[in-house]
Amino acid sequence: GENVEQHPSTLSVQEGDSAVIKCTYSDSASNYFPWYKQELGKGPQLIIDIRSNVGEKKDQRIAVTLNKTAKHFSLHITETQPEDSAVYFCAASRWTGNQFYFGTGTSLTVIP
Amino acid sequence: SAVISQKPSRDICQRGTSLTIQCQVDSQVTMMFWYRQQPGQSLTLIATANQGSEATYESGFVIDKFPISRPNLTFSTLTVSNMSPEDSSIYLCSVQQGGQPQHFGDGTRLSIL
Repeated sequence: GENVEQHPSTLSVQEGDSAVIKCTYSDSASNYFPWYKQELGKGPQLIIDIRSNVGEKKDQRIAVTLNKTAKHFSLHITETQPEDSAVYFCAASRWTGNQFYFGTGTSLTVIP
Repeated sequence: SAVISQKPSRDICQRGTSLTIQCQVDSQVTMMFWYRQQPGQSLTLIATANQGSEATYESGFVIDKFPISRPNLTFSTLTVSNMSPEDSSIYLCSVQQGGQPQHFGDGTRLSIL
């Protein structure tokens, strides 16, 4: 089965700085990679996703990059704000309706 | 995206008892999933629940412990049976329709005494 590794497990940045979270996966058949943000007491919320036919996708301050050859993908948050503080999970799947394999999560703290 | 409601949002239960968690969606969805998230951990899939068929359980989860119902395209329940302290977790349902990504409810926070 798929194995998704995520680093770092915790990340602290100053407000306004950038944050980068990295994930690797093992199944070369995976072709869908979503990122979820989980705030305290809430369920995971989809913030951005990317499919294998695209190398990069951006949505305002958030971007995701994918390197299929190396089997890794990354989340980039620019101009971080205190409300970005949360736990972020990456995931990999063969398609959106199939099982998602989640990374172990990154607890991001943005220091005002 | 679909609006997903889970009930109860939290509960404290005695060991040996059972609790049924409900997941209601505001639109019809083909696939519903149940996950467990242990404290400070990632999400682990318990089972996939499709309407009209038996739930498909992942390795390490069995129907006797986690029976699931899916009576229609907007509703599912997960029962946690004969609970022990090790069952203390957040239980999350998610839904998926068509080519859209999975969306999650806010979860049920379960503590077993």
